[in-house]
Amino acid sequence: DGGITQSPKYLFRKEGQNVTLSCEQNLNHDAMYWYRQDPGQGLRLIYYSQIVNDFQKGDIAEGYSVSREKKESFPLTVTSAQKNPTAFYLCASNFLGQPQHFGDGTRLSIL
Amino acid sequence: AQSVSQHNHHVILSEAASLELGCNYSYGGTVNLFWYVQYPGQHLQLLLKYFSGDPLVKGIKGFEAEFIKSKFSFNLRKPSVQWSDTAEYFCAVNTGTASKLTFGTGTRLQVTL
Repeated sequence: DGGITQSPKYLFRKEGQNVTLSCEQNLNHDAMYWYRQDPGQGLRLIYYSQIVNDFQKGDIAEGYSVSREKKESFPLTVTSAQKNPTAFYLCASNFLGQPQHFGDGTRLSIL
Repeated sequence: AQSVSQHNHHVILSEAASLELGCNYSYGGTVNLFWYVQYPGQHLQLLLKYFSGDPLVKGIKGFEAEFIKSKFSFNLRKPSVQWSDTAEYFCAVNTGTASKLTFGTGTRLQVTL
């Protein structure tokens, strides 16, 4: 089945620790996105990438980093600089100009 | 910067009631409009989209939305809701050829039996 796989489903971070969330898609989509979902705030864009080896900051990029070394993969690192990382993180992908498809999400919590 | 407003944060309806969820956006140029739904424990799914043409668009599960350019609105409607429509609904916009979406804050719909 084609789709977007996010892992892990749940992740716990200790203070001062960097953690990496995985996002893989086998839809051959050009573009990939990371969103953060908080209760009552909808989805906010963290980073996006329209082609391999290129990415742009979204609206709330501070404290996060990404890479796009392969078309199918777009990992997100939540660094220790992100002071409020507890949230639900969603990865999406699409062909440019078409609706985005979403993964099942990763819930990140702080220990 | 564009913004999307969903004024109904939490809506409670009885089964068979009619539904209308508001969505307004701020951008004045060409827009593409979307409604996504997130059922409990599931990923976000596309309900319907508007790119151009007929401003009344029909989506899955009996939902429809009307694009009114003069009002910068894209309200979601369903004539008769079911218990299974309980979910969170998000309106989203992108502009022209831009790929990134701007989402509203979402509306939580609760349908009671």
